[in-house]
Order: sequence, then C-alpha cells, then structure tokens
Amino acid sequence: GDSVTQMEGPVTLSEEAFLTINCTYTATGYPSLFWYVQYPGEGLQLLLKATKADDKGSNKGFEATYRKETTSFHLEKGSVQVSDSAVYFCALTSSGNTPLVFGKGTRLSVIA
Amino acid sequence: GAVVSQHPSRVICKSGTSVKIECRSLDFQATTMFWYRQFPKQSLMLMATSNEGSKATYEQGVEKDKFLINHASLTLSTLTVTSAHPEDSSFYICSAQGDRSGYTFGSGTRLTVV
Repeated sequence: GDSVTQMEGPVTLSEEAFLTINCTYTATGYPSLFWYVQYPGEGLQLLLKATKADDKGSNKGFEATYRKETTSFHLEKGSVQVSDSAVYFCALTSSGNTPLVFGKGTRLSVIA
Repeated sequence: GAVVSQHPSRVICKSGTSVKIECRSLDFQATTMFWYRQFPKQSLMLMATSNEGSKATYEQGVEKDKFLINHASLTLSTLTVTSAHPEDSSFYICSAQGDRSGYTFGSGTRLTVV
C-alpha cells in the first residue's frame, strides 16, 4: 500500500537557520503530496501541496518540490523563526476520494 | 476558506461512560468524513471513513461497536466512544472533504478517560 517516510525528529535549529525535512513516498500511480503543520494542542493545517511531478508548493516561506524520479517531497525554508516550532507531517493521497496517508511527523523546535 | 468546527476540544470522562465528538463543516458540504486518532508524539492513524447517509467503513483493528460514527447530514458527523476506558485516551481529529474542497481538518478533541 501507499506509505510516507519522513525524517525523524526532533529537529532543533537556531532562529534564521535553514530547514530541510526529508520526505519520501511509495505509491501507485501519481499521488498528490502535502505538508501539514500541527501546533501544540491543535489540529492540522495545510501548509502546502503539489499535485503533479515538478510542481513546487510554497507558503509562508516554506517550499517543497514534487520529485517523481526520487519519489520525494522535501520541505525547506531558508530562515526559520521561533513561531515555526511545530510538528510537520508529510502526506499523500492517490486519488481525490481516499484518505490521506501520513508520515510519522517531525517535531521542529526553533530557539532564539 | 473551508472550516470544520470540532467539539469539544477537551473532555474528561469516567471509565465506562460514553463521549460524543462532533464535527461540523461550516461553509461547505462534507460528502466524506475521515476520523483519525493520534497518540502522543505519533502520527495520525485513520480509524474510519464515512460518507453522508452511508455506514462508516472502519480500518482493520478498529472496533466499530466501540467507536460509533454517524454522518447523517452533509454538515455534521459524530464519533461516539462508547464505554470508554483509559486506553481510549487520545487525540481524535476529523477531516472533511467536499465536492470542491480539499481535506479540511477539525481542531481535534483531547479525550482523557479516568
């Protein structure tokens, strides 16, 4: 079945550091790929998404590019802030009506 | 944008009692609702999928008689944890999907069974 593997955390960075959270996937066909963010005690918020190969999703300074050749969707941000501290989930769906399949999540802590 | 309201956000109940969690889509019609469970510092595990007016489809290992899901209308789905026990303590999150909307998540419900 479909699966998502993302780097395990926690990741601790200083403010303004560069962030990369790796995500690779296994899926049949051409899935849509997502990054969600979860702040403490809250639900999930969509951060960005990409629906086909070579698409780049971006939002709030975060970016991820759908790489079909490496089955990856790594999350990057050039300069993190303390407010970016959260848990980040990579996810996919193989069709519009199927549930999202999530990675295990990566906890990011940004210190001032 | 699409909004899903989930209530309650936190609930503490005694062992053996039942708890109902509601998810309402406020500005769209949720044709499909997904219910997830999240243990501390872990990922989201899909419990069941429900379509409006149909019986829910449960994932393997999820007790359908314990976790009752009702999706009677296009704007409301409920999850009832029956005869709750401490091991049911968890964070429960719903995700609604409409015809023209993506996956919209509720804010989650922290259930503690004492």
